[in-house]
Formats: sequence, C-alpha cells, structure tokens
Amino acid sequence: GQNIDQPTEMTATEGAIVQINCTYQTSGFNGLFWYQQHAGEAPTFLSYNVLDGLEEKGRFSSFLSRSKGYSYLLLKELQMKDSASYLCAVFSGNTPLVFGKGTRLSVIA
Amino acid sequence: GAVVSQHPSWVICKSGTSVKIECRSLDFQATTMFWYRQFPKQSLMLMATSNEGSKATYEQGVEKDKFLINHASLTLSTLTVTSAHPEDSSFYICSARDRQGTSYEQYFGPGTRLTVT
Repeated sequence: GQNIDQPTEMTATEGAIVQINCTYQTSGFNGLFWYQQHAGEAPTFLSYNVLDGLEEKGRFSSFLSRSKGYSYLLLKELQMKDSASYLCAVFSGNTPLVFGKGTRLSVIA
Repeated sequence: GAVVSQHPSWVICKSGTSVKIECRSLDFQATTMFWYRQFPKQSLMLMATSNEGSKATYEQGVEKDKFLINHASLTLSTLTVTSAHPEDSSFYICSARDRQGTSYEQYFGPGTRLTVT
C-alpha cells in the first residue's frame, strides 16, 4: 500500500523558519519530491532527495531518512509569497508520483 | 526547458456536453503522461497514466468510458470528459516525464479548470 502523511495546515511568521514534515510507507522507494503549489496553479518543483541527508537550495532545504520513512522541507527567512501548499511525493520506480495531501502554509506578518 | 502546456486553461460547459483538454510537452518528448484531478483544498489524485501509442492505465474508481485519454504522439495527450456533469467540475492537471532524461521528475502543466453548469 501507499501512505504519505503531512500536517494539514501550518502557520508561521514572516522572517521565521518553518519545517514541514512528511512520513511515508510505500511498497517501493526510489526518491522523494517536494512541490510548491499556489492556489489555482499547478505544482512547481522544489527538491528531489534520493539519498539520506540534507540538501540545501537557497532558502529551501530538504532532508531525507530512508530508514525512518521520513522527510522534511525547511523554509528559512519566510516571505509572504511562501504562503502555499507544499506537497510531498514519493517516486517508486517507473510509476506515477504518489502525493501526500499537502500542507497549507500561511505566512503572517 | 521541460515546459508542459495545457489548453484550455479554463472552460465552462453545460451538463451533458463533452470537453477535450490537451496536454503538450513543448521542448521534450514524453513517452508517459499523467492526468490528475484536484478538488478544492485537496491533493492531486491520479486519474490515469497515458502511454504513447497504447491504451491508458486508469486508477481504480476512474471511469475509462467517461474520461477518454488519447496519447497519439510523444508530445501530445488529450483527456476528453464525456457527458460532463457538475460533479466533474474540478482542476485537471497533466504532467509528463522526459523520456531522454535521467531525472524522474514529472513536469506539470498549468492546469485546466473545468466548470460544468
């Protein structure tokens, strides 16, 4: 079976740091994606983790622990434009991505 | 690179009519395209996997006779919603995987918002 869990909603303050967690139990695993989706728009790629550890890309970092079935997306120096849904998705080989339900992040002043 | 377009971006149709949505990979060839549906405040739900030159693979609960998928070339897949009803109103998003690439990233189109009245 496939099960991907994320918190439904989070709120954080402009300029702060927020961590969005994702846990997964899937029948196979090749990698984990994080996407950002603004309301009414298609998802845009943020990161792809294959190996354990932290990958940093500007204000966004993504961490993966394959043994724990766990990942997080870290957003630093939050800006109002970061208010969006963040989707965790697992890739299990030559199959479509399996998406979590997404975390709606609200950044407040 | 890796741009996927969808047309139309939004459409309003009357109940009982059919609507065709096109998904194109503009600068790469896509052996496989995916069709997702997203209801408000919910995540992406995979409807079907579209393979060039063969029949689409539908997810459980998706009516293949209602949602017709054609993947006639390496750059074009179409989704036709037949005899649309108000409950089919949703945001439809396609994505494509680059057959030449080593990344397994799926590139998403901008989505099509369908409203059935």
